Amino acid sequence: DGGITQSPKYLFRKEGQNVTLSCEQNLNHDAMYWYRQDPGQGLRLIYYSQIVNDFQKGDIAEGYSVSREKKESFPLTVTSAQKNPTAFYLCASRGLAYEQYFGPGTRLTVT
Amino acid sequence: KQEVTQIPAALSVPEGENLVLNCSFTDSAIYNLQWFRQDPGKGLTSLLLIQSSQREQTSGRLNASLDKSSGRSTLYIAASQPGDSATYLCAVPDSGNTPLVFGKGTRLSVIA
Repeated sequence: DGGITQSPKYLFRKEGQNVTLSCEQNLNHDAMYWYRQDPGQGLRLIYYSQIVNDFQKGDIAEGYSVSREKKESFPLTVTSAQKNPTAFYLCASRGLAYEQYFGPGTRLTVT
Repeated sequence: KQEVTQIPAALSVPEGENLVLNCSFTDSAIYNLQWFRQDPGKGLTSLLLIQSSQREQTSGRLNASLDKSSGRSTLYIAASQPGDSATYLCAVPDSGNTPLVFGKGTRLSVIA
């Protein structure tokens, strides 16, 4: 089955700890994206990558970091510098027709 | 910067009714427009993609139209069913083929 996988589905961390969210795709897509979703806020872009070894900041990149060492993988690290990390995180990739496909999401809770 | 607005924010209809969801965007020079469905606690599922050269796209009971000049798109759902209950989001690229800008969605409830 082709698609995007995100793990884990739920993640709990203590304040002050860094945490890495996994995103893997087997769609052979070049572009990948990370979004954050909060109630009443809609989706906001954190980082995106158009190609391996390259990535750009989105609208709310502060407190986050990413890497793109492989085409299939685009992990997101939520650092202790992120003031309000509790949210639903969505990873996506873009196909040849510029259609975006989404993973199932990771719900991060920081206490 | 592109801004996307969806009206209404929430909608409740009886089963079997036809309904229209609205999406407007501020910059009409879009590359495409995409409609998504999101169930609670889940990721987004792509419903329809309309390229800038197209006026509408259809998939089953869903029909999406695009009017670039007026900055509007509508998603028409025919003969609604309780299983259609979800949040519907529209999105357009900020410019060209850049990342999508999303509306806040319309939360639809179809009552049996």
